[in-house]
Amino acid sequence: AQTVTQSQPEMSVQEAETVTLSCTYDTSESDYYLFWYKQPPSRQMILVIRQEAYKQQNATENRFSVNFQKAAKSFSLKISDSQLGDAAMYFCASEGAQKLVFGQGTRLTINP
Amino acid sequence: GAGVSQSPRYKVAKRGQDVALRCDPISGHVSLFWYQQALGQGPEFLTYFQNEAQLDKSGLPSDRFFAERPEGSVSTLKIQRTQQEDSAVYLCASSSGRYQETQYFGPGTRLLVL
Repeated sequence: AQTVTQSQPEMSVQEAETVTLSCTYDTSESDYYLFWYKQPPSRQMILVIRQEAYKQQNATENRFSVNFQKAAKSFSLKISDSQLGDAAMYFCASEGAQKLVFGQGTRLTINP
Repeated sequence: GAGVSQSPRYKVAKRGQDVALRCDPISGHVSLFWYQQALGQGPEFLTYFQNEAQLDKSGLPSDRFFAERPEGSVSTLKIQRTQQEDSAVYLCASSSGRYQETQYFGPGTRLLVL
């Protein structure tokens, strides 16, 4: 069975600063993908970034990057130059057997 | 279509009523997923279709929950004899391929059972 753990229920950061959200996972799959999704109050899940487990290079997407440590089963998200629009719930998810398993989420607040 | 759409966006049901939630996936997407998100929690998998075939329904909480996708596009999640614990947001997602493709989510249907 897959599990995903996000140990930070809430985080806050000053606008323009950098923040890192933590995620650990456990899976028996040998080939899997990891994701970070953002869910603003409108509820729509928006893909932030995706990492293929077989790739050693950390994924980046503009201000968003991950630190993927496969041996430690860790997958943290770094947001640089935080903006007010980044405020949302952030969910880490692993994909195995076609379905996503989500963590409990981290609520990110951006302080102006 | 431009994205995944779901209807209705909000549904209030009296305990014991049947409800039907609709999902229109992105045009051409092969795979379709349903998730249930309780308040303050992450989404939990309910069921998965590849075209019209329901390949995994292991997450459906009881036999009151039923999903279909008869023509391989639009899907309906039906909940019979609703109970208060069914109150949640129901999210639909679709992906373009059959294997390890990114899932794109709809806005969800918030169900409140009174």
